[in-house]
Amino acid sequence: SQQGEEDPQALSIQEGENATMNCSYKTSINNLQWYRQNSGRGLVHLILIRSNEREKHSGRLRVTLDTSKKSSSLLITASRAADTASYFCATGGNYGQNFVFGPGTRLSVLP
Amino acid sequence: DTEVTQTPKHLVMGMTNKKSLKCEQHMGHRAMYWYKQKAKKPPELMFVYSYEKLSINESVPSRFSPECPNSSLLNLHLHALQPEDSALYLCASSQVEWTGQANTGELFFGEGSRLTVL
Repeated sequence: SQQGEEDPQALSIQEGENATMNCSYKTSINNLQWYRQNSGRGLVHLILIRSNEREKHSGRLRVTLDTSKKSSSLLITASRAADTASYFCATGGNYGQNFVFGPGTRLSVLP
Repeated sequence: DTEVTQTPKHLVMGMTNKKSLKCEQHMGHRAMYWYKQKAKKPPELMFVYSYEKLSINESVPSRFSPECPNSSLLNLHLHALQPEDSALYLCASSQVEWTGQANTGELFFGEGSRLTVL
């Protein structure tokens, strides 16, 4: 079953612009993680935010979590062509819901 | 570079063949996972091993048989597959970090094995 749902499903922006992706989920979670996947390759962990945290930063990445709305957002600032990839949120929550991935957002950053 | 190694990178097999996918990690992780990913879809969890014991089987058909010979190795044995089983098979590992009732360790993925069933 899919827990997280990303929005938008596809996003195309110019280099230097900011990209915002959203993730919604249905049940209670312990943490939420964001991953990046370049085409046809493995996923790379970007950032983890715990349920008692509201915002977290890592380099050009900013993640927010609103547990009352069951949603999270990933902001990539000053995007680069190398940021072109699919981005997935994954929720870790109750037992048996290890790392359920949302459908993903395909980001294209145009030079 | 990924520290989870998957072999082979590509595999083509017939529906009557028996083949295996292999995964290896040397990070000391005690949880290992198999995911299946179809084109333009998210990874779908198949199996989870924790301390070399199968802890989660997401109702995967018996034509997929996982094996964890030791803490560094994870295999996926394939037999009598169907064309719809063609996909990218991803292996991942993590620390076992139990918080509440969930394993919340960060996942490290291999590059995947792309399987085509004819």
